Amino acid sequence: DQQVKQNSPSLSVQEGRISILNCDYTNSMFDYFLWYKKYPAEGPTFLISISSIKDKNEDGRFTVFLNKSAKHLSLHIVPSQPGDSAVYFCAASSPSNTGKLIFGQGTTLQVKP
Amino acid sequence: DAGVIQSPRHEVTEMGQEVTLRCKLISGHNSLFWYRQTMMRGLELLIYFNNNVPIDDSGMPEDRFSAKMPNASFSTLKIQPSEPRDSAVYFCASSLFGSTDTQYFGPGTRLTVL
Repeated sequence: DQQVKQNSPSLSVQEGRISILNCDYTNSMFDYFLWYKKYPAEGPTFLISISSIKDKNEDGRFTVFLNKSAKHLSLHIVPSQPGDSAVYFCAASSPSNTGKLIFGQGTTLQVKP
Repeated sequence: DAGVIQSPRHEVTEMGQEVTLRCKLISGHNSLFWYRQTMMRGLELLIYFNNNVPIDDSGMPEDRFSAKMPNASFSTLKIQPSEPRDSAVYFCASSLFGSTDTQYFGPGTRLTVL
């Protein structure tokens, strides 16, 4: 049972445009959400997070939006840069599940120059 | 400051052999996580420790897998006997405290079981 789903395996955008990566979840007990970014042959690195008490969190070019009623979160990258090309994982946790992170399967973003 | 260190980076072995993956935490971190990444299942948590104590091992596939923390800065993940379906990239991560604290991942060990 995949509790965190990233339905788009890949996304391609032009440099300078907006990239929107989506993530859906099924467990209403999740209260903390994160995005990690992964380059080839490296481990994932933390990008941005959001608590369920908020609906938006912004850090530079990266903004995460949370829609609790739809059980949906998205990551916006504006403007996209070629160096943003990577695999992006969303993750979620709930205090009732030992707080462990449940990851989605990842979306590969390609930003074309 | 050194990040999470994993060894070996690549491991190729034959079915039935024992495999041991190693991980050194970032100094001062109290939580340790082992993940496995496959095409089919994505990134899944196998086990995590707080202060050397296993907190959640529900992701460990079966008895062939075992993980230990012999001290506060080092962990091993052992597979015995290994099977071809264990082929994956195994990541170790550490955090200051707990799973919602920022986790710092190592570069991973790519395991191939023939």
